Amino acid sequence: QQQVKQSPQSLIVQKGGISIINCAYENTAFDYFPWYQQFPGKGPALLIAIRPDVSEKKEGRFTISFNKSAKQFSLHIMDSQPGDSATYFCAASMDAGGTSYGKLTFGQGTILTVHP
Amino acid sequence: DVKVTQSSRYLVKRTGEKVFLECVQDMDHENMFWYRQDPGLGLRLIYFSYDVKMKEKGDIPEGYSVSREKKERFSLILESASTNQTSMYLCASSLPPRQPSNYGYTFGSGTRLTVV
Repeated sequence: QQQVKQSPQSLIVQKGGISIINCAYENTAFDYFPWYQQFPGKGPALLIAIRPDVSEKKEGRFTISFNKSAKQFSLHIMDSQPGDSATYFCAASMDAGGTSYGKLTFGQGTILTVHP
Repeated sequence: DVKVTQSSRYLVKRTGEKVFLECVQDMDHENMFWYRQDPGLGLRLIYFSYDVKMKEKGDIPEGYSVSREKKERFSLILESASTNQTSMYLCASSLPPRQPSNYGYTFGSGTRLTVV
């Protein structure tokens, strides 16, 4: 079974600090790696995504670092804010496969709490 | 504002009941998905559909079935509800993946189902 393993399960960070969430995957056919953010009472929403032709992607305070040889990728949240408190999910899919229909395999989730 | 709407936010059903969870999207998306979300397990794919009347099993289809008679509507059916199906159920829709653009799901807000 295709798997994506995410850690830590929960994370507490002080305001202004850096939050780091890690994911590891097994299937080398994965070629698309998004991160989703979920607030209480809401469905997850796409935050940022990367493809394996680049090692890093930055959007504002959010950065994905990607290590293809290690089959790992991580989300860095710089200058973390209380409003970033949410559950974060990494995911992976095989876009190029044609028959995968882009279905995502998700990690276990990380509950991030940013203290003021 | 584009959206995915799940018919019920909270649902309480008895063991053995047949349960219908409804999902409607207004984005003309080809793909629709049903996931369940459990603490520590992340989001696990139950079923997905890539076209009207087409469906494929996900990772945990046992005890569930689906129906997609119209493009905008995707229903999840619990044939005989059991207590281990108590969970948060999330519906999502998407376009087929098209590189190099970022591909993302739009999720509904979820249905929290309790089976007693």
